[in-house]
Amino acid sequence: QVQLVESGGGLVKPGGSLRLSCAASGFTFSDYYMSWIRQAPGKGLEWVSYISASGSTISYADSVKGRFTISRDNAKNSLYLQMNSLKAEDTAVYYCARALWYMDVWGKGTTVTVSS
Amino acid sequence: IVMTQSPATLSVSPGERATLSCRASQGVSSNLAWYQQKPGQAPRLLIYGASTRATGIPARFGGSGSGTEFTLTISSLQSEDFAVYYCQQYNDWPRTFGQGTKVEIK
Repeated sequence: QVQLVESGGGLVKPGGSLRLSCAASGFTFSDYYMSWIRQAPGKGLEWVSYISASGSTISYADSVKGRFTISRDNAKNSLYLQMNSLKAEDTAVYYCARALWYMDVWGKGTTVTVSS
Repeated sequence: IVMTQSPATLSVSPGERATLSCRASQGVSSNLAWYQQKPGQAPRLLIYGASTRATGIPARFGGSGSGTEFTLTISSLQSEDFAVYYCQQYNDWPRTFGQGTKVEIK
């Protein structure tokens, strides 16, 4: 079945780095745009970044631009989010989703906590 | 584009009809989706194109609207429908979500 599984979350100090991964299965990963969306504790959803099917087109939310880098490896059916210079306000559950327009498949999420 | 949902909380009895609203700060055509999120779970796509139900979504969920005003209607609430609902525009970048409407048991 179509599935996305995130990993790589954890506790990190302010200013630190973390790399999230998302493993895709059950569909032709290389045909789809992919996105990262996050949800701070008790808050709503915030789109973070997207990457085109080939990886040639990338976009970021202003809140993470210059600090986060999205990438993908179509041979490994995997999506990544490299997060640098982390701040307390980056604390959230991070979801990967299959998406260019609306997000039709979501992973269960991985939790990132930025705290000293 | 700022998406504003109302009300923040909707108290409804099982079997009753629920009507949720979403307003865009500028026109988004029909490029609007609705999601359902239950506690501890990822969001689930309900509606896209403002009115098209996603695969496997029951017919009691209906979407309408275009431009700046949108509505999600749940015709007869079931116990499994009590959740938070988000709208999202995909007419422009960045993609933006509403703040959510919590549908709770009355």
